[in-house]
Amino acid sequence: QVQLVQSGAEMKKPGASVKVSCRPSGYTFTNYFLHWVRQAPGQGLEWMGIINTNTGGTGYAQTFQGRFTMTRDTSTSTVYMELSSLRFEDTAIYYCTRENYWEHDFWGQGTLVTVSS
Amino acid sequence: QTVVTQEPSVTVSPGGTVTLTCASSTGAVSSDYYPNWFQQKPGQAPRSLIYRTSHKHSWTPDRFSGSLLGGKAALTLSGVQPEDEAEYYCLLYFGNDQRAFGGGTKLTVL
Repeated sequence: QVQLVQSGAEMKKPGASVKVSCRPSGYTFTNYFLHWVRQAPGQGLEWMGIINTNTGGTGYAQTFQGRFTMTRDTSTSTVYMELSSLRFEDTAIYYCTRENYWEHDFWGQGTLVTVSS
Repeated sequence: QTVVTQEPSVTVSPGGTVTLTCASSTGAVSSDYYPNWFQQKPGQAPRSLIYRTSHKHSWTPDRFSGSLLGGKAALTLSGVQPEDEAEYYCLLYFGNDQRAFGGGTKLTVL
């Protein structure tokens, strides 16, 4: 069955960087795009970016341009997101979700990133 | 910056019918925006309900349907059940690998 398993919770200080992984299983890794979405406490969903797992090509929301990077490792079928220069307001649950031809279906369980001094 | 707008909150009686909408600041929403709809309950990850305007997943209850209505994407729940109480989000495609979520609609079943 399809699963997207994300890495565990992280606690970081302001100004630091965080790297979160998403490892899909149950399907051919390169057949689906992966997106990153975040949700701050008590807030709505915010789209962050998309990665083409086949080519490595990326697209980023303007809000995150410059401090958000997505990469993939086809040898381990894993996608990574890295957010740098962390601020208190980056405290959120970060989700990965897969998509093929504008069909979103499965989501990861979410990774809580807490930014605290 | 593109803004996607949803009703902040809607209340419906059990067994009733309700339509949630999703509008874009760029103009009328068409099928080229490939609307997706998601349901999220407290403490849970979002769950995909509808993709490409009106297509359902195998797990999507029949009472949920997606459409275009008056220049917006729409999610209609017919015969609402208490377990449908949740937050609902739409996601629109804006080309060049850009997407945006609406702010979400809190559906209360009362």
